[in-house]
Amino acid sequence: DTAVSQTPKYLVTQMGNDKSIKCEQNLGHDTMYWYKQDSKKFLKIMFSYNNKELIINETVPNRFSPKSPDKAHLNLHINSLELGDSAVYFCASSQEWTPGSNQPQHFGDGTRLSIL
Amino acid sequence: AQTVTQSQPEMSVQEAETVTLSCTYDTSESDYYLFWYKQPPSRQMILVIRQEAYKQQNATENRFSVNFQKAAKSFSLKISDSQLGDAAMYFCAYRRGGDKLIFGTGTRLQVFP
Repeated sequence: DTAVSQTPKYLVTQMGNDKSIKCEQNLGHDTMYWYKQDSKKFLKIMFSYNNKELIINETVPNRFSPKSPDKAHLNLHINSLELGDSAVYFCASSQEWTPGSNQPQHFGDGTRLSIL
Repeated sequence: AQTVTQSQPEMSVQEAETVTLSCTYDTSESDYYLFWYKQPPSRQMILVIRQEAYKQQNATENRFSVNFQKAAKSFSLKISDSQLGDAAMYFCAYRRGGDKLIFGTGTRLQVFP
C-alpha cells in the first residue's frame, strides 16, 4: 500500500550511460515533483508536473528529461550521466493546491544514484 | 527569492529531554505554508508538522510543536520527551501556494540515552 514508490532504490552506473528512474503514486494526487538531494543533504526542486503538464522546470541540464505518461506517474530520464549527477533523487506528490488548503507533499523513499 | 535558513547543523539531546530546532525564512509574501520534515538514516522524508501563515495558533502534533513568529519570520520546532527514534536530519521547508518546497540545509539531531 505504498503511497509514492520509486524504482530502483539504488542505481550504480558508469559515466556516459543513460538511465531512468520511475515514480508512481497511488494517492490520486494531481501534482508530482522530482527533487535532488546532494552529498551535503541539500534538497532542491528539479521539476514539477500537474496533470501531466510541466509547471516547474528549475535550471536543470537538458540531459534530464521528465516524462509523465499519466498523472500517477512521473519518470526521470537522464542522458550522458556525469559524476556530478551522483545524488539521491526523490519523487513526491501532492493534491492540487487550492487557496486555504495546505496539502503536504508525500515523498518516495528516494533513489541513490552513484556514477562511477 | 525565498530562502530558508537552519543555523544549527547539528544538535543533541538526552532522551526524555526537550530540544528546539531553529528555522528562519525570508519572503515578501503574506500567505504561505511552513513544514518540518524528518529524514532518518533510512532516508525517507517524513512530514512532522505543518503550519499555515494565516493561522496565529502554533501547530502541535503529539510531542512536536512549533513556535511560529510571523513578524520575525521564524519557525522553530520543539521536540518534547525526546526518544531515540527522533534521531534524524530535520528539514524546515517553505511553500507559497501550490509552488515547490524550498528547503533549509537541515539539522542533524542526535539523541543520547
